[in-house]
Amino acid sequence: EAQVTQNPRYLITVTGKKLTVTCSQNMNHEYMSWYRQDPGLGLRQIYYSMNVEVTDKGDVPEGYKVSRKEKRNFPLILESPSPNQTSLYFCASSTTWNQPQHFGDGTRLSIL
Amino acid sequence: SQQGEEDPQALSIQEGENATMNCSYKTSINNLQWYRQNSGRGLVHLILIRSNEREKHSGRLRVTLDTSKKSSSLLITASRAADTASYFCATDVYTGNQFYFGTGTSLTVIP
Repeated sequence: EAQVTQNPRYLITVTGKKLTVTCSQNMNHEYMSWYRQDPGLGLRQIYYSMNVEVTDKGDVPEGYKVSRKEKRNFPLILESPSPNQTSLYFCASSTTWNQPQHFGDGTRLSIL
Repeated sequence: SQQGEEDPQALSIQEGENATMNCSYKTSINNLQWYRQNSGRGLVHLILIRSNEREKHSGRLRVTLDTSKKSSSLLITASRAADTASYFCATDVYTGNQFYFGTGTSLTVIP
């Protein structure tokens, strides 16, 4: 089954404790992306990757890191999480950058 | 900066009625896409319309695109309770690789 898998689905943690949200896709997609969704603001792109070893900042990259060492995986790293990063996060992938994206089920992060 | 904005923010209709939601964007695009999100879940792609297309159909969905006005509309005909969800337009920027989603329209279809 074609899918984008995010883990964990839910996480409550404290300020400053490094965390990683994993994302994996099994569709051999080149383009992968991370979004955060906040009430009233819609989805905002954090980082995206056109292919392996190619990553770029989206609209709201501050406080986040990503890596793309393999085509299927695109982890999101919060080195020192802060409360303003409390949000619902989505990973997505597509064949190329302007084609339909497949979304994971989301990760709800709460930073206390 | 927000590329797309949907209108209205919320819409409530009776089952069987048609639902229309609109999207406006700011810069030139390659494609415009519409997605649906059921509460708390990931987004699901509905339809893609290219910048050189004016109208596209998929089942009960009809999408129009007016590039001169930088706007698009999504029409859902003969709505069902299962259509209750949030709907987002998404645009790519003609000169870049980024993707922009609007703030969404929350549709409630009353049985």
